[in-house]
Amino acid sequence: QVQLQESGPGLVKPSQTLSLTCSVSGGSISSGAYYWNWIRQSPGKGLEWIGYIYNTGGTYYNPFLKSRITISVDTSKNQFSLKLSSVTAADTAVYYCARADNWKPNWFDPWGQGILVTVSS
Amino acid sequence: QSVLTQPPSVSAAPGQKVTISCSGSSSDIGNNDVSWYQQVPGTAPKLLIYDNNKRPSGIPDRFSGSKSGTSATLGITGLQTGDEADYYCGTWDSSRSVSYVFGSGTKVTVL
Repeated sequence: QVQLQESGPGLVKPSQTLSLTCSVSGGSISSGAYYWNWIRQSPGKGLEWIGYIYNTGGTYYNPFLKSRITISVDTSKNQFSLKLSSVTAADTAVYYCARADNWKPNWFDPWGQGILVTVSS
Repeated sequence: QSVLTQPPSVSAAPGQKVTISCSGSSSDIGNNDVSWYQQVPGTAPKLLIYDNNKRPSGIPDRFSGSKSGTSATLGITGLQTGDEADYYCGTWDSSRSVSYVFGSGTKVTVL
C-alpha cells in the first residue's frame, strides 16, 4: 500500500523559497503511470491544486502559481519535491502531496498527512 | 475563489440522508469527471468517489455520486456521527486557466 509523507521547514521568511519533499513508500515512484502532485490548503480555507510531476520529469503547474513553482523528482530516493519562490503570508498553508492517475487527474489517492508551512518574519 | 460552487453546510439527524451539490460549467464538470473527498478536521482529505460515481475499495455504499450536465451530487445515506467532516468536489478545468479545481467545500453536521 503506497504511503506519502511530506517533510520540510515549518517556517519560512517572506520573500524566501519554500522547499518541501514528499517521500513515497510501499511502491516505486517510477512504476505505473502515476502523476505526483502538490496541493495546499490555507488555514480555514479550501483546497488549491499546485501542480504535478511524472516519473520521467514532465511537469504541469497551476497557471496562477506557475511563475513561482518548481517540482522535481528523485527516483533514486523515491521522492519528489516542491519549491515555491518569493513567498508571502498568502502562501501560509498546509501542503499535501498526493498521487493522481492521469495527466488530467481523475482522482488523488493517497494523500500525505500534510505539513503546515507558515510564512512569517 | 473556487470555480466549483458547493453549499457551505448541510445537516441531518443520524440515519438520515444528505446530498451535497457541486455546480460548475461546461469547461469543468460539463466535460470532465468529478471526484469527491472527505476531510475530517485535522486530517488529510480522503478519496470518496471518482469518475463521478465510482467508490474506491473500502468506501461503504452509503456514499454515492452522480453527475448531470454541469453539476454533480454527493449523497450520504444512513448518516453516522463519523460522517461529520468537510466534503470537497473536484474536477479538471479545461478553460483558459487549464488546471485542476476544487469546490468551496461543504461542512456536514450530524445533529
